[in-house]
Amino acid sequence: ETGVTQSPTHLIKTRGQQVTLRCSSQSGHNTVSWYQQALGQGPQFIFQYYREEENGRGNFPPRFSGLQFPNYSSELNVNALELDDSALYLCASSFRDRVSGSPLHFGNGTRLTVT
Amino acid sequence: SQKIEQNSEALNIQEGKTATLTCNYTNYSPAYLQWYRQDPGRGPVFLLLIRENEKEKRKERLKVTFDTTLKQSLFHITASQPADSATYLCATASSGGGADGLTFGKGTHLIIQP
Repeated sequence: ETGVTQSPTHLIKTRGQQVTLRCSSQSGHNTVSWYQQALGQGPQFIFQYYREEENGRGNFPPRFSGLQFPNYSSELNVNALELDDSALYLCASSFRDRVSGSPLHFGNGTRLTVT
Repeated sequence: SQKIEQNSEALNIQEGKTATLTCNYTNYSPAYLQWYRQDPGRGPVFLLLIRENEKEKRKERLKVTFDTTLKQSLFHITASQPADSATYLCATASSGGGADGLTFGKGTHLIIQP
């Protein structure tokens, strides 16, 4: 089985610009979620998609948006970039079933630097 | 919402000894706790899940306990090796429904000294 892949691995943007990060989920998984990890911190939940609809969101403003496609690949879009958006962005896929607590399978992230 | 606390200071352990990492949660008793390992520049890797009705879970040299009275989970690595050096993250559902993702602790940086 293929794992979770993210692109690009590194990205440098200027404040005010927009960015799109991409993720390909692990085969067989129906849920994708995105996390932001600042240096020295744990991952922080941005949002989650299930069957192409957002069904959970963390404490992030609307300028963070996403999409999930029929093949379970996903995008994270961030508009009007701010310096504090500099972080490692992690995509995670999982299989949602009736039992809670499905483990997350993470990609290796996109390191975004905003200058 | 849930809050997870881990000792974010580095933990130095001699090779061959048992490393014990602590995870405390502060609000409601979660249905489960998960533990992940993260190496520098990589995404977290899932290790173990323990549910609220389980006292202990084992996987090879790893053992996790769950004490709902103390609101605490302990993560043990026995016969530790330098290759076990990494940051270990504890996580649980942010809310009872689970649709609000996982809440992670800051992680504990474990260093196994040869």
